[in-house]
Order: sequence, then structure tokens, then C-alpha cells
Amino acid sequence: DAGVIQSPRHEVTEMGQEVTLRCKPISGHNSLFWYRQTMMRGLELLIYFNNNVPIDDSGMPEDRFSAKMPNASFSTLKIQPSEPRDSAVYFCASRTGEETQYFGPGTRLLVL
Amino acid sequence: SQKIEQNSEALNIQEGKTATLTCNYTNYSPAYLQWYRQDPGRGPVFLLLIRENEKEKRKERLKVTFDTTLKQSLFHITASQPADSATYLCALGGGGSQGNLIFGKGTKLSVKP
Repeated sequence: DAGVIQSPRHEVTEMGQEVTLRCKPISGHNSLFWYRQTMMRGLELLIYFNNNVPIDDSGMPEDRFSAKMPNASFSTLKIQPSEPRDSAVYFCASRTGEETQYFGPGTRLLVL
Repeated sequence: SQKIEQNSEALNIQEGKTATLTCNYTNYSPAYLQWYRQDPGRGPVFLLLIRENEKEKRKERLKVTFDTTLKQSLFHITASQPADSATYLCALGGGGSQGNLIFGKGTKLSVKP
């Protein structure tokens, strides 16, 4: 299995631009998570889907962030407009069942 | 609010010694606790899970304890090797978190030869 796939791996953009991060979960996994990791705040959950349905989006920082999961094999996290404080590493993770999460390699986002 | 603390940001030990990492939590009653390893530039990788009714779990050179009274987990790496150098994250799950995991900020372990 290829594991969780994220793209792009690195993104540099200017403030105000739209950013779209993509994730392909492990086949057969029914839950998908988006996290943001910074030195200051550690790994924070942004949103969590179960069977393609958003279950908990309380971690989404503000209306500039949105996430979709149109089918079981694809999810996007969009930031519009982006701001320098959004600079972080964004991880996607998936799981089947209740427990262990499998993380992708992350997208390193830098907003100038 | 729920809070997880890992005892130190960094831990330096000599090869061959036992590394002990601590995870404390407050305002939470997890059904299980997990430990993950994260290498630079990579996503976290699952290592061990221990449930609330278990006191200790082992896997090769790794040992995890879980004390729900103290609200603490200890993570031990015996006979440590330079290859064990990484950041280790604890994560709490269950306990009404809707299936989410709540992560600590991690402890960066450096094992010197």
C-alpha cells in the first residue's frame, strides 16, 4: 500500500492567494483527519471526516479555511485568502476502526 | 480545557541507556493512549497503544505504562541507539473525543553514541 498521499509537498505563496492542499487516504480507511503542526502549538486537529462526512470541524481556525471530502479517496483543505500566520506543516491522516492513525508526509506551507 | 504535557521539549542520553519520556494530562478521561514517533520532515508514525484498563504494554525495546489515577504515561526505550533519535508524541483518544486524538507537543530525544 502506498500509504497516505499528500500534495503538494511544499507550497510557497503570497499573502492573499488561495491555497489548496490535497490528500488521498489509504484505501479502505473510513476516517480522514487534517492537522496543522507548528513549533508553538504542536499538532492541532483542524477537521475530521467519517465516511466522507465532516464530524468535527471545531479546530478550523476561521472562515478562511474549508475542507471537503467528495469521495472516499480524496480530500482537500483550502485556505482563502492565505495569511502569513497560516505558515505551518499540514498533515492528513486516515484510519479504519477506532484507533491508530496513519499520517501522510505533510505539506509545508509558507505564506509570504 | 483538556491539556497534555510532555515533560520536556528535549532529552539527551547516552547510547545504551534507557530513555524515559513522560506524558501528563488534565481535564480528560481517555479510553486509550498512544505513542507516535516523528522524524524530521515526516509525519508521525504509530508505535504503541495502551488502554485505560492496562497498566503496561511492551513491544521489543519499548515499554509504555499508563496510570489513570496519576493521569500519566511513561514511555521507555531500553538499550537506546542513535537510530532512536526522533521526536516522540503522546496522544489521547476515546473518552468522548468523538474518535479524535489529542496530541502533546512532543519530546525530542537525542541518543549520543
